Amino acid sequence: GDSVTQMEGPVTLSEEAFLTINCTYTATGYPSLFWYVQYPGEGLQLLLKATKADDKGSNKGFEATYRKETTSFHLEKGSVQVSDSAVYFCALLRTGNQFYFGTGTSLTVIP
Amino acid sequence: DAGVIQSPRHEVTEMGQEVTLRCKPISGHNSLFWYRQTMMRGLELLIYFNNNVPIDDSGMPEDRFSAKMPNASFSTLKIQPSEPRDSAVYFCASTRSGTGRNQPQHFGDGTRLSIL
Repeated sequence: GDSVTQMEGPVTLSEEAFLTINCTYTATGYPSLFWYVQYPGEGLQLLLKATKADDKGSNKGFEATYRKETTSFHLEKGSVQVSDSAVYFCALLRTGNQFYFGTGTSLTVIP
Repeated sequence: DAGVIQSPRHEVTEMGQEVTLRCKPISGHNSLFWYRQTMMRGLELLIYFNNNVPIDDSGMPEDRFSAKMPNASFSTLKIQPSEPRDSAVYFCASTRSGTGRNQPQHFGDGTRLSIL
């Protein structure tokens, strides 16, 4: 069945470091892929998305490229800030409207 | 525009009591989802509705859990009787489906439930 696997955390980085959070997926057909972010005490918020192969989603300095050949959608940011500390979820939507979420990766950025 | 609205934000009650969580989806959205989030299990889909009809409730853990969506602007998740292991954050999310384009889900801020 469809599934999403993302790197386990927690991840701790210094401010201005480069961030990569790996996400790979299993699905037939052509799913849409998403990254969500959850700040402490809040719900999940859509960060970026990509709906077809080679699409690059970007928002707030974060980027992720839909790689069908490697079934991946890794999240990257060139220079993280303390305010980026949150839990990041990779998600897949194939057919209908059921999402498949990864287990989440906790990121802490220290000054 | 208002986002997904959940109430209450926090609920503390004793085991055995009935708990009712409420959700108002974004206007115009026709699909609604209930999730549970815990440290142990992460984010779990409990049930989702499409056009007010329950489509998949396989994630509902036990018969103590029930969900309804009497109209397009309101849904409830009820736990009766509640148990300490039900303590979690419960999220509601909504989306517009059937447009032929994969739309993201929009989440509420959640209800933090503690069963003593």
